[in-house]
Amino acid sequence: NAGVTQTPKFRVLKTGQSMTLLCAQDMNHEYMYWYRQDPGMGLRLIHYSVGEGTTAKGEVPDGYNVSRLKKQNFLLGLESAAPSQTSVYFCASGPGLAYNEQFFGPGTRLTVL
Amino acid sequence: AQSVTQPDIHITVSEGASLELRCNYSYGATPYLFWYVQSPGQGLQLLLKYFSGDTLVQGIKGFEAEFKRSQSSFNLRKPSVHWSDAAEYFCAVGARAAGNKLTFGGGTRVLVKP
Repeated sequence: NAGVTQTPKFRVLKTGQSMTLLCAQDMNHEYMYWYRQDPGMGLRLIHYSVGEGTTAKGEVPDGYNVSRLKKQNFLLGLESAAPSQTSVYFCASGPGLAYNEQFFGPGTRLTVL
Repeated sequence: AQSVTQPDIHITVSEGASLELRCNYSYGATPYLFWYVQSPGQGLQLLLKYFSGDTLVQGIKGFEAEFKRSQSSFNLRKPSVHWSDAAEYFCAVGARAAGNKLTFGGGTRVLVKP
């Protein structure tokens, strides 16, 4: 099993450009999450999904959109990138049981110039 | 709202010495608590977790953590550190609610001296 995979690993954007980050999991997990990691701030939740076709806002959702058309995939979109969105993005998935353990992907490093 | 504080941003420890990382949480009920480790350039790996029962929890790589409700703490310990333990460590608290969301602390970076 590959676990949680993320595409791409690195990306550089110019301000105003758009892009989509792809997260895929092969563990048949119901729940999926997108986080951003910034120095000294730990991981902050952007959006999450509790099942195929559902999405919900997390702590820092502004400037991002998500979609969960298939259970195994969770897409994070930036419609008009800003330098403040320079960060490392992590996707995670979890079985949705009471104990909410999450399994993380390797991350995507995004730089917005 | 739940929150997690990791008071130490950086810790330097000699190889073979003991290590303790502090974590304080704020949550209105009995929490789910986690410690994750992130090696450079990698994703997060779960070290251990607490849900209920025995307050001393054993994890992978020789780590353990103790839940102290009276102090709202969940400190991580290792008796003898190896050079491979150099990494960033994150404490997290989980909500027993829709979404099973985690709230992370700011992290503690551990440097191991030879």
